[in-house]
Amino acid sequence: GQQVMQIPQYQHVQEGEDFTTYCNSSTTLSNIQWYKQRPGGHPVFLIQLVKSGEVKKQKRLTFQFGEAKKNSSLHITATQTTDVGTYFCIGRGSTLGRLYFGRGTQLTVWP
Amino acid sequence: DTAVSQTPKYLVTQMGNDKSIKCEQNLGHDTMYWYKQDSKKFLKIMFSYNNKELIINETVPNRFSPKSPDKAHLNLHINSLELGDSAVYFCASSRPQANEQYFGPGTRLTVT
Repeated sequence: GQQVMQIPQYQHVQEGEDFTTYCNSSTTLSNIQWYKQRPGGHPVFLIQLVKSGEVKKQKRLTFQFGEAKKNSSLHITATQTTDVGTYFCIGRGSTLGRLYFGRGTQLTVWP
Repeated sequence: DTAVSQTPKYLVTQMGNDKSIKCEQNLGHDTMYWYKQDSKKFLKIMFSYNNKELIINETVPNRFSPKSPDKAHLNLHINSLELGDSAVYFCASSRPQANEQYFGPGTRLTVT
């Protein structure tokens, strides 16, 4: 799998602050998924975005898929210590169906 | 019951040895994957099998060989282990045409 550019690589925030991570692909994606991996744990599926311009919310988490289906973001409002972990995206190319992986953003939340 | 299980959870071995990691899923999925995660948390896909047939084979050394005896199992055999093979290896599964992947707990391999 090739890479999707994911930024930032690390983010340290104080509890209550907002957090956003971005995935940018040079190729058009048919869909993109977001996963969370807690320290010492395994990746856990959060959500999948399929439609151009799609926005989905899960409590304090907001996921967006760009109009061109090349970019996506995950925004956490008012972070909590339970949000600590690595968030990464996996996109599926629209042409050949290849998987493209973000390198992940490691989020640290200070109490 | 655990959806995707891997054994062993930890594996410490010496350079040059051959080892296997086993993966089993009880979700009825047709597609299974092997990933390697390095110390910087980057997840790299190694192999993908769909219904026992190899569909993704990324550029990995041929010392790594996946084996799928049935669609519920995908084992990873590694020959002549090297220091650089030290990592966490994750198995995952998904339904065909669906993208949500279910990951196993991981196997931490340490080569000394």
